[in-house]
Amino acid sequence: EVQLVQSGAEVKKPGESLKISCKGSGYSFTNYWIGWVRQMPGKGLEWMGIIYPGDSDTRYSPSFQGQVTISADKSISTAYLQWSSLKASDTAMYYCARQNCGGDCYLDYWGQGTLVTVSS
Amino acid sequence: QSALTQPASVSGSPGQSITISCTGTSSDVGSYNLVSWYQQHPGKAPKLMIYEGSKRPSGVSNRFSGSKSGNTASLTISGLQAEDEADYYCCSNAGSSRVFGGGTKLTVL
Repeated sequence: EVQLVQSGAEVKKPGESLKISCKGSGYSFTNYWIGWVRQMPGKGLEWMGIIYPGDSDTRYSPSFQGQVTISADKSISTAYLQWSSLKASDTAMYYCARQNCGGDCYLDYWGQGTLVTVSS
Repeated sequence: QSALTQPASVSGSPGQSITISCTGTSSDVGSYNLVSWYQQHPGKAPKLMIYEGSKRPSGVSNRFSGSKSGNTASLTISGLQAEDEADYYCCSNAGSSRVFGGGTKLTVL
């Protein structure tokens, strides 16, 4: 069974750093891209970026380039999303999702989400 | 990239059919790209409902169908059921990135 299990909720202060994780199981982790999606409170889904764990090729949405860092450790089948200096506006639910590609690409499995709260 | 355009809300009675539109441009929906659709219940992660424009993953009811015409993709839900009440999002490739629609809240009356 394919599963993506994300790390638990975080409460941080502005200016702090943070790294959240997404562990894949039940499939070959290195053969599928993993994407990250933001959902701010009461708002829609926003594409942040994607990584191919096989070679760590990473693509960012222009809106998030320079704001976050996406990485992966294929030895432990885990992808990461990190911030060096959090802002209150980073408060959101963050989802990872596996990208599958046939005729086109789509997100077929999703993590349960990690809630990040940034408040002084 | 700008978000794809979806109606903020749609509603229907049990047993009826509804259609949710997703309008983009010739650079995303209107290109060769095939839209995917996701259902999200409150407090839950999104779930893939339609991929490659019109295909249903295993386990998704055949009451859900997808189509595309020009720069607009559509999700149709027939035989509405109470459990269909949720938010729905379309998604398309946009160059080397991806773009979601703004989301549509479906209310089953």
